[in-house]
Amino acid sequence: EAGVAQSPRYKIIEKRQSVAFWCNPISGHATLYWYQQILGQGPKLLIQFQNNGVVDDSQLPKDRFSAERLKGVDSTLKIQPAKLEDSAVYLCASSSQTSGTPWTQYFGPGTRLLVL
Amino acid sequence: DAKTTQPTSMDCAEGRAANLPCNHSTISGNEYVYWYRQIHSQGPQYIIHGLKNNETNEMASLIITEDRKSSTLILPHATLRDTAVYYCIVRVANDMRFGAGTRLTVKP
Repeated sequence: EAGVAQSPRYKIIEKRQSVAFWCNPISGHATLYWYQQILGQGPKLLIQFQNNGVVDDSQLPKDRFSAERLKGVDSTLKIQPAKLEDSAVYLCASSSQTSGTPWTQYFGPGTRLLVL
Repeated sequence: DAKTTQPTSMDCAEGRAANLPCNHSTISGNEYVYWYRQIHSQGPQYIIHGLKNNETNEMASLIITEDRKSSTLILPHATLRDTAVYYCIVRVANDMRFGAGTRLTVKP
């Protein structure tokens, strides 16, 4: 079974530029998550999708961050404009309520963002 | 906010058992205990979870105290590849909050 795919793996941008990250979850997983992990800290949930609907985006800085999952499969996370404090690893995870271990989240390798 | 308390770091000798403690004194009756680990430059990896009973799988064992206020993850024969940050998380459904975890270093 293929895991969660993310791209790019690394991105360097200057502050005030925009950036987008892509995630392809495990096939059949209805729930998709985006996390932000700052160096030395645990991952922090930014947004959770159930199919193509948003379940929880309470910790998403909506003035600069946006995310979509139009067809209930792939998802993109965008930052516009980026700030220095956005430097972090952005992790995508997915889970299924009906197969395997329900609600267990499986993570991709992450995208490491550096804002200069 | 994380509902768990873990030591910041631990060392373990290769081939010995690694016992990682976690306190979760405010855990509710319907909250599960989950363990993940994160090896450098990778995403978190699911290890094991439990509700009340002790659990074992091919990776580890999870021992939960009878009052459910604490648990221990046991890696029976640690190898150098087990060096990672280990996260203990209490959760119900999809509400999963990571703390800072325990940095386990397995030494030769």
